[in-house]
Formats: sequence, C-alpha cells, structure tokens
Amino acid sequence: DTGVSQDPRHKITKRGQNVTFRCDPISEHNRLYWYRQTLGQGPEFLTYFQNEAQLEKSRLLSDRFSAERPKGSFSTLEIQRTEQGDSAMYLCASSLKEGRLAGPDTQYFGPGTRLTVL
Amino acid sequence: AQKITQTQPGMFVQEKEAVTLDCTYDTSDPSYGLFWYKQPSSGEMIFLIYQGSYDQQNATEGRYSLNFQKARKSANLVISASQLGDSAMYFCAMREGVGSGGYQKVTFGTGTKLQVIP
Repeated sequence: DTGVSQDPRHKITKRGQNVTFRCDPISEHNRLYWYRQTLGQGPEFLTYFQNEAQLEKSRLLSDRFSAERPKGSFSTLEIQRTEQGDSAMYLCASSLKEGRLAGPDTQYFGPGTRLTVL
Repeated sequence: AQKITQTQPGMFVQEKEAVTLDCTYDTSDPSYGLFWYKQPSSGEMIFLIYQGSYDQQNATEGRYSLNFQKARKSANLVISASQLGDSAMYFCAMREGVGSGGYQKVTFGTGTKLQVIP
C-alpha cells in the first residue's frame, strides 16, 4: 500500500496527558499537512511542511500543539496537556509540488487518528 | 462570508440515478482550484475530482463530473448511475492564495451526506 498512513487510528486519553500521532506520507511527496476535523465539520487546516520545513501554521495550533517532520519523510503531531476540546479526528495529507508550475497540488489523505479526551 | 458553502446537509438518491451535490465558493483570487472529496464512515478523505479556475472544460473522472459555472461561483458535483457504495459524506474544497513557503490555503465546506437507496 503506497497511500498515506497514520498511527494510531484511535486514541483515548485522560485530560492533561500528552499524546503523539504519526503520519507517513506517500513516499515521493514533498508536502505534508495536518488537519483537525470535528463532528459535522469539514477538515480545518493546522499546519504545513515542505520537506522538513514547517512553513505555515494556523492560529488553531495553540502552543500545546507541536508538529515535526525531522527528515522530510514522516511527521509527528504532539498535543501536550490535552483538553476535552481537543477531541477530534486528526487527518494527515500529503502532496507533490514540483517547481513553480501551476497544478492541482492535490492532497491525498490518510485514514485519520480519532482522539477522545476523557 | 463562508469561503465554501454546501447548502445540502443531506441528500437521498435512488440507486442507478444521477445526483447533483451543490457547492458555491467565494474568492477574489483569479487563480484557484476546486476539489471534491468523499469521506466514508471509515473516516478517510478520498480525492474525487479537481477543477482549476482557468480550465476551459468541466472536469470529469469516471462517474464523477464537476459542473463549473465560474460567473456564478459554483462547482457542483454530479454523480451518475449512483451505487450503494457512494453513500458517504462529500466535501467541496477550494485552494486559493499563496502564503509563506508557497502554501495555498485549502478550505473545506461542511459537507453533504449522501445516502443511496436500493
């Protein structure tokens, strides 16, 4: 399978605990994105990497959230001191953008990690 | 103003019939892209179809076609010959602008839940 993978698929944690999610993008893709999706809503952008550089962060990404992509391949999203409001589906996507040519830059999504904070 | 508006929270369609899912968008950027994604109950966002703002022809991918009316700022998804497996949430999304690092923000609508009736 050469699609985007995410681990774990489900995570239940107690308020105040730290959690970390992993995303493995499609291997040749240089761009990686994290989104959060709550019930009844579309995905909301959290952050974006081009190779290993984190180039864009949403205001939704509070200081309790941190994301890394250390070698330009897989990425991790850590949430510290989780709150009940962090309960959501966390989606990772990747895309391939070459040069400055216009194009779809289509994002391909993983299956998501569903976080429940008790 | 909402960037992406999907006015149909839920739709029913008879198997083998065609169905149109509505999407209107709002942007002042002359260069933008429109996407449709399908999200089954498993949670993964599946890319269906893409339309660029400068594309002259309406996009088609198998049973999916995008009815792009630029002046009306609408990008409706048409699914022909509906199948039971088409039952899912459908999200319209728009890519626009150029932020830092070349990132173009992708905004999703709230989705339409399609149910195909045997």
